Amino acid sequence: EAAVTQSPRSKVAVTGGKVTLSCHQTNNHDYMYWYRQDTGHGLRLIHYSYVADSTEKGDIPDGYKASRPSQENFSLILELASLSQTAVYFCASSEWGFSQNTLYFGAGTRLSVL
Amino acid sequence: GDSVTQTEGLVTLTKGLPVMLNCTYQTTYSPFLFWYVQHLNEAPKLLLKSSTDNKRTEHQGFYATLHKSSSSFHLQKSSVQLSDSALYFCALSDGSSGNKLIFGIGTLLSVKP
Repeated sequence: EAAVTQSPRSKVAVTGGKVTLSCHQTNNHDYMYWYRQDTGHGLRLIHYSYVADSTEKGDIPDGYKASRPSQENFSLILELASLSQTAVYFCASSEWGFSQNTLYFGAGTRLSVL
Repeated sequence: GDSVTQTEGLVTLTKGLPVMLNCTYQTTYSPFLFWYVQHLNEAPKLLLKSSTDNKRTEHQGFYATLHKSSSSFHLQKSSVQLSDSALYFCALSDGSSGNKLIFGIGTLLSVKP
């Protein structure tokens, strides 16, 4: 079974503060993703990466940065957290690109920005 | 642009009844469709997937058939169980620019005794 672990599982942050969400996978997958889940919007792609030291913008990258220091690790960074970034964040990995490929998700991080 | 539409936000059923969750899509490329299921406080997991027109795909009692003529990939089950209560996402990949996976907003299935 593929394994993607996220930390922390939940976090309360203050507006304007910096938040870092971490993701670690042991699947030996090349692709990693960060999604945001909001009621009424489903899952929306923030950033993704297909190789270490390189990241790509997804559909809603504004206000977020990503870092892929190694194949196993992928972080999502909110430099100046805002109320609108309160959501559940999921990390996922896949062996290669989306087409025909299964995404393996982590358990999610519930972020509340106050 | 590409899109996925799930028309029901909430479906409530009694155990043992059949269910169909609707999914339609729009793309100008060759589609690959997925259903993901997310149980409460858990990670989304792949339920089934298909890119073959008019071929039924089955997994864990659920089934779906991709119909390119109507751009649909509805999820069905003949007899729902309490454990089927979850959020179900339909998703589209077409292999075009960036290999993006587009998710629908999800349908919450609630099964009652």
